[in-house]
Amino acid sequence: SQKIEQNSEALNIQEGKTATLTCNYTNYSPAYLQWYRQDPGRGPVFLLLIRENEKEKRKERLKVTFDTTLKQSLFHITASQPADSATYLCALSGLSGYSTLTFGKGTMLLVSP
Amino acid sequence: EPEVTQTPSHQVTQMGQEVILRCVPISNHLYFYWYRQILGQKVEFLVSFYNNEISEKSEIFDDQFSVERPDGSNFTLKIRSTKLEDSAMYFCASTGTSGSRATDTQYFGPGTRLTVL
Repeated sequence: SQKIEQNSEALNIQEGKTATLTCNYTNYSPAYLQWYRQDPGRGPVFLLLIRENEKEKRKERLKVTFDTTLKQSLFHITASQPADSATYLCALSGLSGYSTLTFGKGTMLLVSP
Repeated sequence: EPEVTQTPSHQVTQMGQEVILRCVPISNHLYFYWYRQILGQKVEFLVSFYNNEISEKSEIFDDQFSVERPDGSNFTLKIRSTKLEDSAMYFCASTGTSGSRATDTQYFGPGTRLTVL
């Protein structure tokens, strides 16, 4: 069956460091992969999307890589700030025209001042 | 910036009662979705809706669930006879179109917390 795995442990880092979050998937050939941020009690907020034919995407302090051979995406936040503390969700979507998302469980990031 | 809105923010109901969760998608979007998230678990897809009909649904979306777009702005999720295990956050999402296909980014509402007693 399809599986999406994200680091289950919370990631604790110091302010100013780079946070790296991992998303691995099996039995799936996504057309694209997305990263969302979720704060407690709130809905997911879209951050970045990367397509199967792209290796890397950047947006301000965020960077996503996508390796379809390894079936893995890495999500980086450079110069992290306490305000970056949240749960980060990886979501995959196939070739359906309806863009249904399949989410991982998410990784909680805690950035200490 | 346009956003998806949901009401109510919190709904408490007795087991066996019907509930209707309401969403107002972003105005020019044509694809609508419902997801749910049980406390401590992942966000799970329930149903997608396009052109006034269901386009996809998951195994979770059984006969107890229905969706409707009663007018040009609202999108609702009805649970006919709630069970304890329906307690969760329910998120509505919408996305625009590129040609007839949904575009890639989904915009989520803030959610409705449903508590079934």
